[in-house]
Amino acid sequence: DVKVTQSSRYLVKRTGEKVFLECVQDMDHENMFWYRQDPGLGLRLIYFSYDVKMKEKGDIPEGYSVSREKKERFSLILESASTNQTSMYLCASSFMAGQHIEAFFGQGTRLTVV
Amino acid sequence: GENVEQHPSTLSVQEGDSAVIKCTYSDSASNYFPWYKQELGKRPQLIIDIRSNVGEKKDQRIAVTLNKTAKHFSLHITETQPEDSAVYFCAADTGRRALTFGSGTRLQVQP
Repeated sequence: DVKVTQSSRYLVKRTGEKVFLECVQDMDHENMFWYRQDPGLGLRLIYFSYDVKMKEKGDIPEGYSVSREKKERFSLILESASTNQTSMYLCASSFMAGQHIEAFFGQGTRLTVV
Repeated sequence: GENVEQHPSTLSVQEGDSAVIKCTYSDSASNYFPWYKQELGKRPQLIIDIRSNVGEKKDQRIAVTLNKTAKHFSLHITETQPEDSAVYFCAADTGRRALTFGSGTRLQVQP
């Protein structure tokens, strides 16, 4: 059973703080992703990584950075949190099996920036 | 980049009726189209997917159809049940290994 675990379920941070969201997967997946979920906007891709120390910008990378020092761990960093980054953040992982790339999601971190 | 549009945003049906959710995509290079279901307070989970070399796929009460020429694909749920109530997301992949999701459809099945 694939497990993708996010370090926090709920977080409240102040404007300007540096925020770290951590994600760990236990299935040796090559690919890891960070999405944010907002009502009416679906899931939007922030960053993804297909290997250790590799990262690719998604569709909304502004204001975020990522780190992947180990295969199982993918961190999302908000360098200076702002109120418009209040959202639900979902981590996911997948492996390439031919053209099948089922993504397994974590339980989500609801971040509130005040 | 890829853009995926999903309609309707909300859908209410009576138990036993069918439900159809439609998505269009912009990038003709997209070759993989999954559907995810997210129940209230839970994580999204894959329920069915289709590849670009297939026109239709069924799994019990759910089916997905793909029209590559028109660049649209649809999810069909027959004989809906209250446990089908959830938010459904379509997605597309162009081969960059990351999925682009639609905006979601909240399906409510009335008993």
